[in-house]
Amino acid sequence: DAGVIQSPRHEVTEMGQEVTLRCKPISGHDYLFWYRQTMMRGLELLIYFNNNVPIDDSGMPEDRFSAKMPNASFSTLKIQPSEPRDSAVYFCASSLLDRNTGELFFGEGSRLTVL
Amino acid sequence: AQTVTQSQPEMSVQEAETVTLSCTYDTSESDYYLFWYKQPPSRQMILVIRQEAYKQQNATENRFSVNFQKAAKSFSLKISDSQLGDAAMYFCALGGGADGLTFGKGTHLIIQP
Repeated sequence: DAGVIQSPRHEVTEMGQEVTLRCKPISGHDYLFWYRQTMMRGLELLIYFNNNVPIDDSGMPEDRFSAKMPNASFSTLKIQPSEPRDSAVYFCASSLLDRNTGELFFGEGSRLTVL
Repeated sequence: AQTVTQSQPEMSVQEAETVTLSCTYDTSESDYYLFWYKQPPSRQMILVIRQEAYKQQNATENRFSVNFQKAAKSFSLKISDSQLGDAAMYFCALGGGADGLTFGKGTHLIIQP
């Protein structure tokens, strides 16, 4: 398997623009997670899906953030409008098992810079 | 709420030597899992080793082993025969309860040739 695939790898945009990050999980994995990594806050769970259904979005910072999983092989994380404080590396991860016990397989991350 | 603390922001070790990375945690769960993840410069997080809290035996994966002290809520990672490819950020993570995986802030491991 190719692993978790994320795009774009790097994104530079201006404040106020819409940003869409994409993720293809490993085939057969039931869980999909979106994390954000910053120097100050480390790795934070934003939202996770089970069988394409959002289960816990309590980590989503604001209404500017939204995530969808229209099918088992694709998810998006959208920020609209983007702000400089959204600059971070966003990781997608998938897992075959429960989020507490299973190994998470991470993508290579999308580095977002908002000017 | 679960917490994970890595008190060493950075560690340095000579190639071929042994290094231990520290991690302490707090949870009210009786059944939980602990992980060490490696993040090399390529950014991709890779699982190094996993420990089930109900198992007394410490997990081992080749040159990587853990010292799991449940009463002390300590979960350290030992890397034996350090290699240049071990240079990376290492994250300790705790899984259990409603919070999912909680990660520590990481330890930057430097391997001196």
